[in-house]
Amino acid sequence: GEDVEQSLFLSVREGDSSVINCTYTDSSSTYLYWYKQEPGAGLQLLTYIFSNMDMKQDQRLTVLLNKKDKHLSLRIADTQTGDSAIYFCAPVGRLYNFNKFYFGSGTKLNVKP
Amino acid sequence: DAGVIQSPRHEVTEMGQEVTLRCKPISGHDYLFWYRQTMMRGLELLIYFNNNVPIDDSGMPEDRFSAKMPNASFSTLKIQPSEPRDSAVYFCASSPSALRDRSRHGTDTQYFGPGTRLTVL
Repeated sequence: GEDVEQSLFLSVREGDSSVINCTYTDSSSTYLYWYKQEPGAGLQLLTYIFSNMDMKQDQRLTVLLNKKDKHLSLRIADTQTGDSAIYFCAPVGRLYNFNKFYFGSGTKLNVKP
Repeated sequence: DAGVIQSPRHEVTEMGQEVTLRCKPISGHDYLFWYRQTMMRGLELLIYFNNNVPIDDSGMPEDRFSAKMPNASFSTLKIQPSEPRDSAVYFCASSPSALRDRSRHGTDTQYFGPGTRLTVL
């Protein structure tokens, strides 16, 4: 399987940028996803990056991928209190002919007003 | 589409009782997954189905757990007998067909239901 590691907590002030980091071990991961989980809710897809890309920007979100170091990061610009949630990194590895998700432990982002 | 639907949202039961969790995937999705989330172990894949057929159940913790998918629009996860250590949030997720065309980026994205919070006393 794949090992995915994330720091457990991150605290920022409203308006600052947040950077959530993730390291993984499977270099054959083809897609790398970020999911967001709000309290009491399921996981919702935030964004993803294909493995042949270094960077992907989507409004306030920027995903950076360093394949050599197997490092993925999610930057949230102008962080808002509504961004407080747990963020999961999920590189996708191959299982048979299907992409199996390997979820990290999640990083709990706390945004202080 | 209503998204993935799970029921019940909350379940409290006593040790030894049978528990059945239900899931309705997004219409047209070929894959269905059952996950368990706990503080200690994070998010674990228990089992997944492709076209109603169980493909990989290596994550099912023990024989007390079983899952079925009698048709494309319904799946159950059953725990019999339940134990306190089964207390967790159980998520169901569904996904469209596996990626076969590289131009269809992200088509195998998984869509999660709201989860069932199970408490076994």
